[in-house]
Amino acid sequence: KNEVEQSPQNLTAQEGEFITINCSYSVGISALHWLQQHPGGGIVSLFMLSSGKKKHGRLIATINIQEKHSSLHITASHPRDSAVYICAVSKDSNYQLIWGAGTKLIIKP
Amino acid sequence: DSGVTQTPKHLITATGQRVTLRCSPRSGDLSVYWYQQSLDQGLQFLIQYYNGEERAKGNILERFSAQQFPDLHSELNLSSLELGDSALYFCASSVGGASNEKLFFGSGTQLSVL
Repeated sequence: KNEVEQSPQNLTAQEGEFITINCSYSVGISALHWLQQHPGGGIVSLFMLSSGKKKHGRLIATINIQEKHSSLHITASHPRDSAVYICAVSKDSNYQLIWGAGTKLIIKP
Repeated sequence: DSGVTQTPKHLITATGQRVTLRCSPRSGDLSVYWYQQSLDQGLQFLIQYYNGEERAKGNILERFSAQQFPDLHSELNLSSLELGDSALYFCASSVGGASNEKLFFGSGTQLSVL
């Protein structure tokens, strides 16, 4: 079993819909990262969380440490949000990140 | 713009050859990470450097090597290239190299081995 699991693997939605992408992990962590990779390949760090909730524009990330679960929400989704969203966790014990497989999101106009 | 510069953006070469990928971290960042992303695959961690020294090693092949120079730029050397080495290679940087720091990614080098 992978230490970081993302769901869904693929998600297609209509413009304007509320989007939720989930990330579950099975190890002790010091932080959880959400990143976005656009079709052109570039990777952007969206959030880094160790507790609670963070918001940036239409994006909201939450984490529940007890349940070892995080969610990324996109409100009022737009076709430009189409990308792969990746969850990665920093284990307590070392400097490496453990990467989820990513969620491919397509927003149709 | 993340502030991390990778060159070249594209590289086409033949099997058996050797190439060098270059990364300049964000100003002030001491740690550099290298990742490989093969087609439709997730990011695979290769190696991390902090202030010139190797800090962590991932799934890096023996044919691959890296170093970080005194000016903090890093190079990833890939030798005896095989078709399967074709991938997008990303460099990222962070301030201190701790696992709970935000990472800043370069735009990647697309390597095609023919």
